[in-house]
Amino acid sequence: GAGVSQSPSNKVTEKGKDVELRCDPISGHTALYWYRQSLGQGLEFLIYFQGNSAPDKSGLPSDRFSAERTGGSVSTLTIQRTQQEDSAVYLCASSFVAGNEQFFGPGTRLTVL
Amino acid sequence: GESVGLHLPTLSVQEGDNSIINCAYSNSASDYFIWYKQESGKGPQFIIDIRSNMDKRQGQRVTVLLNKTVKHLSLQIAATQPGDSAVYFCADFTGGGNKLTFGTGTQLKVEL
Repeated sequence: GAGVSQSPSNKVTEKGKDVELRCDPISGHTALYWYRQSLGQGLEFLIYFQGNSAPDKSGLPSDRFSAERTGGSVSTLTIQRTQQEDSAVYLCASSFVAGNEQFFGPGTRLTVL
Repeated sequence: GESVGLHLPTLSVQEGDNSIINCAYSNSASDYFIWYKQESGKGPQFIIDIRSNMDKRQGQRVTVLLNKTVKHLSLQIAATQPGDSAVYFCADFTGGGNKLTFGTGTQLKVEL
């Protein structure tokens, strides 16, 4: 596609449920990033992929958060047993190679009731 | 820890005036900085970048200035337009260039 796409655009879930967020990076981009943005805040780094491997998971806030990337393309971010503090916009970005300009998707707005 | 921060949370300017958004960073090893613009409901959009071997870079209506001595950078927008209204973030590459560290952001409001 022309840009980074994410789905769903909005997700409302109940506390304790699992959610899965999807990111489709720009074709050919080898690096993929997940960030979280709370209301009125800057972006918080979660995890970075180079190809299918994740050399930097340092930003994942707890073991309830996990992510995978298959085929060097699509990535999914999974949050298990969601909590209200997980409510935020989850943004995905990709770049041709790590260290280059990152292109962001529109984000998934997650609301945990 | 290392961080990138912004001086002003909100900046209001008149249409046609120049805007200056400031950012301070604390990681002395940072060598690559990016300014992003984020409109409501959208992801951040790249505006302009600068590497530490430069002190100024110009784009279309935008200029970024970098002062490594005081670890400060600024984004200047010439002839500000209503479409410039957004939140502006500065960010620097950390972790060997693998991730961006963002500041909190400055809300730019353009008054007609």
